[in-house]
Amino acid sequence: AQTVTQSQPEMSVQEAETVTLSCTYDTSESDYYLFWYKQPPSRQMILVIRQEAYKQQNATENRFSVNFQKAAKSFSLKISDSQLGDAAMYFCAYRALDSGSRLTFGEGTQLTVNP
Amino acid sequence: NAGVTQTPKFQVLKTGQSMTLQCAQDMNHEYMSWYRQDPGMGLRLIHYSVGAGITDQGEVPNGYNVSRSTTEDFPLRLLSAAPSQTSVYFCASSYLAAGLTDTQYFGPGTRLTVL
Repeated sequence: AQTVTQSQPEMSVQEAETVTLSCTYDTSESDYYLFWYKQPPSRQMILVIRQEAYKQQNATENRFSVNFQKAAKSFSLKISDSQLGDAAMYFCAYRALDSGSRLTFGEGTQLTVNP
Repeated sequence: NAGVTQTPKFQVLKTGQSMTLQCAQDMNHEYMSWYRQDPGMGLRLIHYSVGAGITDQGEVPNGYNVSRSTTEDFPLRLLSAAPSQTSVYFCASSYLAAGLTDTQYFGPGTRLTVL
């Protein structure tokens, strides 16, 4: 079974600085998808960024980018120019190519942004 | 479009009571699923459905039933509530095809407390 691990329960960053959240996963599949979701205090789950494993290029979405290391099974999220609104719980998630849309989530990292 | 809606937002039950958490989506998504979120454990899949009349178990199905009589609705039933079912429950939906169209949309969640 696939597993997703986020080893940082809590992280903090100063406003305007850069922070990196870590995620590792275990799978025997060669093709799959990886995601980062944001959960603010409102509890709403918001998709931040996704990466297809067959793509070598790292995904970027404005201030959010990933460092995807397929051989190391690592998928970290970098947030540049951190803003107060980035404060949230961040979840890393995995989906196999043939599993419909079933997601396996990590434990989450609580990000605090200090003014 | 209302997206994914869940009712109720909050619920308190006594041990042994039964209840149904409602989930509806108006995006004509084939795939629907239920997750539970517990502190330090991320989101775990309870049950999922790939279309009307088709359901299957996820990672933590015990104590829960589902049915999918229509594309739009996917209710989750607690047969005999236990304190271990105290959690936040999320419903999610997506198109079934792989690729960019299968982004999962989450409902706002239901916070359930079992006394």
